[in-house]
Amino acid sequence: DAKTTQPPSMDCAEGRAANLPCNHSTISGNEYVYWYRQIHSQGPQYIIHGLKNNETNEMASLIITEDRKSSTLILPHATLRDTAVYYCIVRVSETGANNLFFGTGTRLTVIP
Amino acid sequence: ETGVTQTPRHLVMGMTNKKSLKCEQHLGHNAMYWYKQSAKKPLELMFVYSLEERVENNSVPSRFSPECPNSSHLFLHLHTLQPEDSALYLCASSQVWGAPTYEQYFGPGTRLTVT
Repeated sequence: DAKTTQPPSMDCAEGRAANLPCNHSTISGNEYVYWYRQIHSQGPQYIIHGLKNNETNEMASLIITEDRKSSTLILPHATLRDTAVYYCIVRVSETGANNLFFGTGTRLTVIP
Repeated sequence: ETGVTQTPRHLVMGMTNKKSLKCEQHLGHNAMYWYKQSAKKPLELMFVYSLEERVENNSVPSRFSPECPNSSHLFLHLHTLQPEDSALYLCASSQVWGAPTYEQYFGPGTRLTVT
């Protein structure tokens, strides 16, 4: 799996958009970009994933650059409950290689 | 509530004890996973089961013994653990193993302390 690089921590004001970057410069064509988050002492929660195109769901938007070497997770209106560690993960698409490899993530703190 | 439950939520055990962690998923998924999260370390994948068969065992010591009696239940049997085994143990499930478009759903975890 390609390695990802994320800033260790970020702050965001409540109500503002939180933009969390991730570099995955060694990503290959068949690797998906996944985002999970982990609120303190809870299990990780799936947020969104994408391959080439930008994606949006009820939780967030995922913007993937054209060369796929980086992506940004956008929480459009951050709330205090969005304070968590956010993990960017890339996963291969071949059968049998479905595992998630978590790095150290970005600790997002939403400030009132 | 993710549809994956884990019991107990907290466990303290001595190094000579035997205990078991239980995971149950109510999602109709076919794959289940055990992860370990030690303090200040990334999550580590321990075991993967697909359709009740173990498909991954990531160099986990034999003092951890998984069991998957059916596709809804997963156990982690613990015996003669060491203090460094103290961690948050997380269970997850996914609809299918081996297809990256299927996300994993995690339980709340069991906080294990070995004394």
